[in-house]
Amino acid sequence: GAVVSQHPSRVICKSGTSVKIECRSLDFQATTMFWYRQFPKKSLMLMATSNEGSKATYEQGVEKDKFLINHASLTLSTLTVTSAHPEDSSFYICSASRGWIAGEEGTDTQYFGPGTRLTVL
Amino acid sequence: AQSVTQLGSHVSVSEGALVLLRCNYSSSVPPYLFWYVQYPNQGLQLLLKYTTGATLVKGINGFEAEFKKSETSFHLTKPSAHMSDAAEYFCAVSLDSSYKLIFGSGTRLLVRP
Repeated sequence: GAVVSQHPSRVICKSGTSVKIECRSLDFQATTMFWYRQFPKKSLMLMATSNEGSKATYEQGVEKDKFLINHASLTLSTLTVTSAHPEDSSFYICSASRGWIAGEEGTDTQYFGPGTRLTVL
Repeated sequence: AQSVTQLGSHVSVSEGALVLLRCNYSSSVPPYLFWYVQYPNQGLQLLLKYTTGATLVKGINGFEAEFKKSETSFHLTKPSAHMSDAAEYFCAVSLDSSYKLIFGSGTRLLVRP
């Protein structure tokens, strides 16, 4: 259980185009999803937190107009990189959490997707 | 503000040797602490986590970590390294289990045959 998928796993696009990355919780409903960015040989940096049905909360320094996040359902969140440029090339990872459920151990754990490698030419 | 420091960007051990990956944290409130493993070009897999209660936490693949409040540490250990343990390991801290995670810079574990 607690499987998170991301699609696509790899994407190459031209500078100036927009790219959409999907994050799905396959066997549970995720009240909260997180989007991270990981540079080569670096740690994960949280970009934004999204709760189903509400606007995402962006971390300081993350351009919300460039990185559009939509959490339309309890199993799907999308990250759209608008007008992508080579400096946006990175490994993007999402995670999903059910949120704490009384009496159920581990329900508040974040489960990570396999990541999406974006290359902007 | 919370922060995590992982000492040693690379740790190399021989197969069968003890694995020790260090993690120190800073938090103004009792923290939730995590260790994740990342294999090349993959997402993160939770190894173990500390929330409350017993300070020695056992995780998957034979790993364990001990929360030491006085030392603000949460070091990861495994008695005997296996070749399949070679990966990147991340320590993380959070205000609660489902709140945003603050990651350390990661430690790459190399296992020599």
